[in-house]
Amino acid sequence: EDQVTQSPEALRLQEGESSSLNCSYTVSGLRGLFWYRQDPGKGPEFLFTLYSAGEEKEKERLKATLTKKESFLHITAPKPEDSATYLCAVQATRENAGNMLTFGGGTRLMVKP
Amino acid sequence: DAGVTQSPTHLIKTRGQHVTLRCSPISGHKSVSWYQQVLGQGPQFIFQYYEKEERGRGNFPDRFSARQFPNYSSELNVNALLLGDSALYLCASSLGGQGASGYTFGSGTRLTVV
Repeated sequence: EDQVTQSPEALRLQEGESSSLNCSYTVSGLRGLFWYRQDPGKGPEFLFTLYSAGEEKEKERLKATLTKKESFLHITAPKPEDSATYLCAVQATRENAGNMLTFGGGTRLMVKP
Repeated sequence: DAGVTQSPTHLIKTRGQHVTLRCSPISGHKSVSWYQQVLGQGPQFIFQYYEKEERGRGNFPDRFSARQFPNYSSELNVNALLLGDSALYLCASSLGGQGASGYTFGSGTRLTVV
């Protein structure tokens, strides 16, 4: 069974204080690892897809990296508007998996001005 | 272009009742997936439909059912509602039925069972 564990559950940062969110996963063949941002009461918003170990992707203050067991979302000099819940999900290569995503519990990020 | 649209946005139901949630995918997307997100947790997969056929089913009881229409819109039905069914129900659409193409999620339907 595919499993995704995110840590920490909650993170409070001062504006400008860089940090990293962790996503550990076990999956029977990784097709892709996804990062989403979710604001309260809204649906998840796509950030990145990573496909293989060693891959990195960047978008503004966010950078996602991938190893064979975990992914990190690095946040550089965060701003209050980066406050949200960040979700990690994996998609397996199993034939009967369709395009199902298995999500972690998320990390709730709060950035204080 | 319109994104994924879900209706209604909120609703309140009584235990034992039935509910139907609706989803219209992005134009051109043929796959619709449904997820349940309980407050404070990550989304949990319920169903995937592609070209009107069920392609995947999560670990949910038979009270949950879904279908996809010829225009690729979809309905999620839940019978005999329980308090524990209170959650945000998310619909996501994608181009294909498989592969690593990312979803686009709707804003969800907030269901409260009292």
